[in-house]
Amino acid sequence: GAVVSQHPSWVICKSGTSVKIECRSLDFQATTMFWYRQFPKQSLMLMATSNEGSKATYEQGVEKDKFLINHASLTLSTLTVTSAHPEDSSFYICSAKWPKGISYNEQFFGPGTRLTVL
Amino acid sequence: QQQVKQSPQSLIVQKGGISIINCAYENTAFDYFPWYQQFPGKGPALLIAIRPDVSEKKEGRFTISFNKSAKQFSLHIMDSQPGDSATYFCAASKGGSRLTFGEGTQLTVNP
Repeated sequence: GAVVSQHPSWVICKSGTSVKIECRSLDFQATTMFWYRQFPKQSLMLMATSNEGSKATYEQGVEKDKFLINHASLTLSTLTVTSAHPEDSSFYICSAKWPKGISYNEQFFGPGTRLTVL
Repeated sequence: QQQVKQSPQSLIVQKGGISIINCAYENTAFDYFPWYQQFPGKGPALLIAIRPDVSEKKEGRFTISFNKSAKQFSLHIMDSQPGDSATYFCAASKGGSRLTFGEGTQLTVNP
């Protein structure tokens, strides 16, 4: 199966600093990646859709300037939480979609990144 | 119309029993229905998925039953094991676009 990695797996930072999270598809090229946020005992909430070579599409209510997404290559997407505050503390998960023609719409998820903002 | 309703919120089953989780959707344009398994502190893992042109799909102990007319689909876990204890999410999408997730079901399988 497809493997998606995330780095770091956990990060603690001070309020006001920026944190970058990387998402990589290790054995396939993903033209589309997704970024989710998950609070304890809750479902996944889609934050944005990231397409290689173009601007990300953000969901309603997600601040574009706060959550910067860059999909610079077919195997790497990054999420930067700018000027992080304690309310940004959460579990951030990325997923990568199989390219068209291989399998219908399957998304493979990374292991997640636990962000704690002090 | 984009919502997917999942039940129950939590489920306790004895080892060897059958676990059943249900989902209902409104959007008839949905054409892909996956189930994900998530362990604490980990990302979701694709368990099994179905397209609306079939009514049932089985992979090992996991079976999806799909009722297009009722707009419902369910996950059955046969011979449930303690290692199956996790949170399960149903989801749906249309045309290869974004997934819409259910609220999740926390399954506990007692030894």
